[in-house]
Amino acid sequence: DGGITQSPKYLFRKEGQNVTLSCEQNLNHDAMYWYRQDPGQGLRLIYYSQIVNDFQKGDIAEGYSVSREKKESFPLTVTSAQKNPTAFYLCASTVEPLGVSYNEQFFGPGTRLTVL
Amino acid sequence: QQPVQSPQAVILREGEDAVINCSSSKALYSVHWYRQKHGEAPVFLMILLKGGEQKGHEKISASFNEKKQQSSLYLTASQLSYSGTYFCGTARAGGTSYGKLTFGQGTILTVHP
Repeated sequence: DGGITQSPKYLFRKEGQNVTLSCEQNLNHDAMYWYRQDPGQGLRLIYYSQIVNDFQKGDIAEGYSVSREKKESFPLTVTSAQKNPTAFYLCASTVEPLGVSYNEQFFGPGTRLTVL
Repeated sequence: QQPVQSPQAVILREGEDAVINCSSSKALYSVHWYRQKHGEAPVFLMILLKGGEQKGHEKISASFNEKKQQSSLYLTASQLSYSGTYFCGTARAGGTSYGKLTFGQGTILTVHP
């Protein structure tokens, strides 16, 4: 079955350590997105990529980095520069590079990151 | 700029109706609606496009007022499975906002037996 996988589901890290969250999709979608969700709040865009080897900052990119070397993969690194990294992280994809206006976003199951 | 949703929370009994609103101060190309259960991924409900086109689940009803940049989601004859947090996401055409959605803060819907 096609879909988006994120691993791990739960992640614990010590303060000051970098951590990489995995996102893989087999939907053959061009565009991929990373969102952060804090309790009781909406989804805030961290980074997005509309095509391989290209990505743009979202609304809260500081302290995060991404890469898009393959169409199906869009890993997110939470660096030690991120002041408050504990949150629920969601990866999503859309079929066309600029088609998010016209097409639904498919979401992965999310990774809950806790920094101790 | 983040769209504003209202109300923040709704409590219903099974069979009752509810309306969730989403308002933006910017000109929109489309409005998306998603539902999220606690700890799970958001699930697509509907897209409303400028010009009147709609895409989504047949049992979901929504409207998009392009002049006012407002959208409403209508939940009728609610079921227990409707419980969750509803998010609207807005897409603007052109400029630096092209190609991404901005989500509202969410509306928590609770349906009791």
